[in-house]
Amino acid sequence: DGGITQSPKYLFRKEGQNVTLSCEQNLNHDAMYWYRQDPGQGLRLIYYSQIVNDFQKGDIAEGYSVSREKKESFPLTVTSAQKNPTAFYLCASRAGLRELFFGEGSRLTVL
Amino acid sequence: DAKTTQPTSMDCAEGRAANLPCNHSTISGNEYVYWYRQIHSQGPQYIIHGLKNNETNEMASLIITEDRKSSTLILPHATLRDTAVYYCIFVSNFGNEKLTFGTGTRLTIIP
Repeated sequence: DGGITQSPKYLFRKEGQNVTLSCEQNLNHDAMYWYRQDPGQGLRLIYYSQIVNDFQKGDIAEGYSVSREKKESFPLTVTSAQKNPTAFYLCASRAGLRELFFGEGSRLTVL
Repeated sequence: DAKTTQPTSMDCAEGRAANLPCNHSTISGNEYVYWYRQIHSQGPQYIIHGLKNNETNEMASLIITEDRKSSTLILPHATLRDTAVYYCIFVSNFGNEKLTFGTGTRLTIIP
């Protein structure tokens, strides 16, 4: 079945460590997105990519980095520069002008 | 960026129709209204979208006012499984854009 997979589902990290969240899709979608969600809040856009080897900052890109070396993969690195990294992270993909497909999310906790 | 306004929360009795409003007074002619919902700690799920005409699918109906400044998502016979946060967003037909979400409406279905 086609879909979008995020891993790990739960992740713990010590302060000062970088961590990379994986997002893989086999839907052949060109566009991919990363969102952050804090408790009781909506989704805020971190980065998005419309095509391989290209990506743009969203509304809250500081402290995060991404790469898009392959169409099916869009990993997100949460760097030590991100002051409040504990959150629920959602990855999504989209084909052309169609709807977004979301993964099940990764919950990051900084200890 | 076009902004949407939704009530923070709503209740609806099980079996009744749930009507969720969204104001989008700054929507432009090439922007679609999309609705998604998010059940607790899961990725959002696409529900329906429309441009000018009313739309219906197996999940819901979408009523868009003639001036396109507001819309209403209708869940015709709400069940407990419809308890979720519902998001209304704009998407243009250009495709190359960042897709931003607001805080949505938390709908609670009351038994």
